[in-house]
Amino acid sequence: EVQLVESGGGVVRPGGSLRLSCIASGFSFDDYGFSWVRQAPGKGLEWVSGIDWNGGSTGYADSVKGRFTISRDNAKNSLYLQMNSLRADDTALYYCARDRNAYYSTFDFWGQGTLVTVSS
Amino acid sequence: DIQMTQSPSSLSASVGDRVTITCRASQSISSYLNWYQQKPGRAPKLLIHAASSLQSGVPSRFSGSGSGTDFTLTVSSLQPEDFGTYYCQQSYTTPQNFGQGTKLEIK
Repeated sequence: EVQLVESGGGVVRPGGSLRLSCIASGFSFDDYGFSWVRQAPGKGLEWVSGIDWNGGSTGYADSVKGRFTISRDNAKNSLYLQMNSLRADDTALYYCARDRNAYYSTFDFWGQGTLVTVSS
Repeated sequence: DIQMTQSPSSLSASVGDRVTITCRASQSISSYLNWYQQKPGRAPKLLIHAASSLQSGVPSRFSGSGSGTDFTLTVSSLQPEDFGTYYCQQSYTTPQNFGQGTKLEIK
């Protein structure tokens, strides 16, 4: 069974940092690309960042470019999102999502999300 | 960036109705269009990929069509469990933007 379990969310002050993690199981992790997708309270979905199967290609939304860094450790079946210089509008539920293939474009399995709250 | 616009923003329909949701891209995305369903408190679920390919395990009453800039998601005979919010998403280029969502309520 495919499982994606996010962790690392919490309450952080503006300007602070957090590192989100997503641990995968039930499939061959290094065959797939991944993305982080977020959802602000009561709002729609926003693609944040993606990474291909071996980390050779990454992408970011303009809203997080230069502040967030996506990475993966295939030996640990893990995906990460380092979030720096956090702002109030980064407050959201952050989902880890697996791609159907090796890139980061179509998301066929999702975790349950980890909540990030940026507040003073 | 490619902008995705869905219509309507919300709709209410009865069990057995045929329902259509439209998604328009701000420029051509060929068939690089996906549809997701999200229920309250749950993660999104992939329904349709590549504009018209049904994801494994998704009921055949769901179908997708379109190419270029205009796409539709159709539910041929609405069931009570089909309530939720539906999102389109372009997978043509980064950033892989979503539409704003269409909230479907069952009458």
